[in-house]
Amino acid sequence: ETGVTQSPTHLIKTRGQQVTLRCSSQSGHNTVSWYQQALGQGPQFIFQYYREEENGRGNFPPRFSGLQFPNYSSELNVNALELDDSALYLCASSLGQGDGYTFGSGTRLTVV
Amino acid sequence: GNSVTQMEGPVTLSEEAFLTINCTYTATGYPSLFWYVQYPGEGLQLLLKATKADDKGSNKGFEATYRKETTSFHLEKGSVQVSDSAVYFCALSFDYTGNQFYFGTGTSLTVIP
Repeated sequence: ETGVTQSPTHLIKTRGQQVTLRCSSQSGHNTVSWYQQALGQGPQFIFQYYREEENGRGNFPPRFSGLQFPNYSSELNVNALELDDSALYLCASSLGQGDGYTFGSGTRLTVV
Repeated sequence: GNSVTQMEGPVTLSEEAFLTINCTYTATGYPSLFWYVQYPGEGLQLLLKATKADDKGSNKGFEATYRKETTSFHLEKGSVQVSDSAVYFCALSFDYTGNQFYFGTGTSLTVIP
């Protein structure tokens, strides 16, 4: 399987709820990063996982958490959703440090 | 800190016009520099990259040169096509464990026939 697949493509949640976004990386890609892209802005780094361990985190609160699984899929979980969490969430995977990243098409999350 | 500044958009050009999108960066070390492109409804695609000073990245007619003295990585194309219409992001990254990309805010390009 080639490419990075994210699901769902669109999602609407209510403030205070919890959400799980999913990413299926390219086979063999043991590094996955998640980014938040607000409307009209560049993507902001949330965190990175390497071989199922978090190994880098941006300036996001603990209510943003993640998991990476042995089959190269991963999840982004956001608790206690706020209106400002409305954004496009991008997953990017790589073979490892120093290699290029492949980005998915993203999940558009709207919090109302 | 680390950051990337891009020229404000949107940019509208006629087909076959010359394109320049300015990008400057601030970095605490020696980063690699990238241009990504985002077509409507799609994720980011790597357009080109340069890993050290004076390197020139090129792809699909686009070019950018890593200028350490001016901390710049301007994107150029000699003759744009309608299919080049997209949002272009300049970014920097360091090659270490847990590395992340620092993106600019993006520049929207529309090419009209």
